[in-house]
Amino acid sequence: EDKVVQSPLSLVVHEGDTVTLNCSYEVTNFRSLLWYKQEKKAPTFLFMLTSSGIEKKSGRLSSILDKKELFSILNITATQTGDSAVYLCAVGRRGKLIFGQGTELSVKP
Amino acid sequence: SQTIHQWPATLVQPVGSPLSLECTVEGTSNPNLYWYRQAAGRGLQLLFYSVGIGQISSEVPQNLSASRPQDRQFILSSKKLLLSDSGFYLCAWGPASGGLNNEQFFGPGTRLTVL
Repeated sequence: EDKVVQSPLSLVVHEGDTVTLNCSYEVTNFRSLLWYKQEKKAPTFLFMLTSSGIEKKSGRLSSILDKKELFSILNITATQTGDSAVYLCAVGRRGKLIFGQGTELSVKP
Repeated sequence: SQTIHQWPATLVQPVGSPLSLECTVEGTSNPNLYWYRQAAGRGLQLLFYSVGIGQISSEVPQNLSASRPQDRQFILSSKKLLLSDSGFYLCAWGPASGGLNNEQFFGPGTRLTVL
């Protein structure tokens, strides 16, 4: 059965800390891995990864995919209170996205 | 630029009543469209997806149905709601080019409570 597992499920840090969120997967016919940030309402798209070893970066956020070991990490450096959210990982296969349970990140002032 | 709208934002309905949630997309043509439900946990469950007018694929057997009467309109319906239909319903669109595994962009969601 296809599955996407994120860890940790929740995390509390202080402003300025660096965090690493993990996403591992077991999905047949893998096509892509996506990261989303969800605050109060709808998830907002962060990154889509399709190739191993190529880092994608946007400001303080970066992500990389390892297709051999079947995982991805999302790094956030110099965290701010506005980074508090649930971060969702999803893997695309055959026309659908399979989501993990998310990591709830709380950044304290 | 593309935008996606959903309404209503919140809805409280009695058990056994009908349901109609609407989603529309602007600024793109022939998008792939998706309905998800996010229940008590944080994971999203894909309910339906559509690659074109009148083309609906159902992912899980359930009490709901979907329709796509126009290119950029996607409707989620039920004839009789169950308590278990409560949740946060999200519509998403993705570009048709490159197939169905492109990035998806979500609407603001509808929070449905069935009492």
